[in-house]
Amino acid sequence: EDQVTQSPEALRLQEGESSSLNCSYTVSGLRGLFWYRQDPGKGPEFLFTLYSAGEEKEKERLKATLTKKESFLHITAPKPEDSATYLCAVQAGSSDGGSQGNLIFGKGTKLSVKP
Amino acid sequence: SAVISQKPSRDICQRGTSLTIQCQVDSQVTMMFWYRQQPGQSLTLIATANQGSEATYESGFVIDKFPISRPNLTFSTLTVSNMSPEDSSIYLCSANDGSYGYTFGSGTRLTVV
Repeated sequence: EDQVTQSPEALRLQEGESSSLNCSYTVSGLRGLFWYRQDPGKGPEFLFTLYSAGEEKEKERLKATLTKKESFLHITAPKPEDSATYLCAVQAGSSDGGSQGNLIFGKGTKLSVKP
Repeated sequence: SAVISQKPSRDICQRGTSLTIQCQVDSQVTMMFWYRQQPGQSLTLIATANQGSEATYESGFVIDKFPISRPNLTFSTLTVSNMSPEDSSIYLCSANDGSYGYTFGSGTRLTVV
């Protein structure tokens, strides 16, 4: 069964204190791994898509990396405005070699950054 | 990337009634998805809606409870029928616009009293 596990569930950081969020996955034929940011009362906001092991992508203070079993979202010198829930999701392949289409989400990591 | 307008943004409904949630995409998309996000939980897929065919429902979700329409490539609706307090949740639509990936609407926060 395809599965996504995120850790930790919650993370409290001081402003400027760098850290990493983990997303481990078990999926039959990874088509893509996605990171989203979700603010309270809003829909997920797209951050990154990673497709193959070794791939890295950066955006401002965020950097996402991918291995064959997990992905990390590194946050460098976070600011209070980075406080949000960060969701990881995977798109699995299907038995016919195509895509299953939908995303499978982890439960998210709630990040709080204190000034 | 596609932009999705979802409405209503929130509603408070009486048990036993139905609510229809609408999602409008600013470009044509093949696949649209409906998710439920219960308090403190992640997103759970309800169904996949492709234009011109019946929606495909995930285990635990049935068409009589969550009927979906997909009349064209830019629009879809989800109805939550015969609501009970257990249906209180955030409902999200999503679209795959191919090259960009998956975009989400802003969500509908439903409270059933």
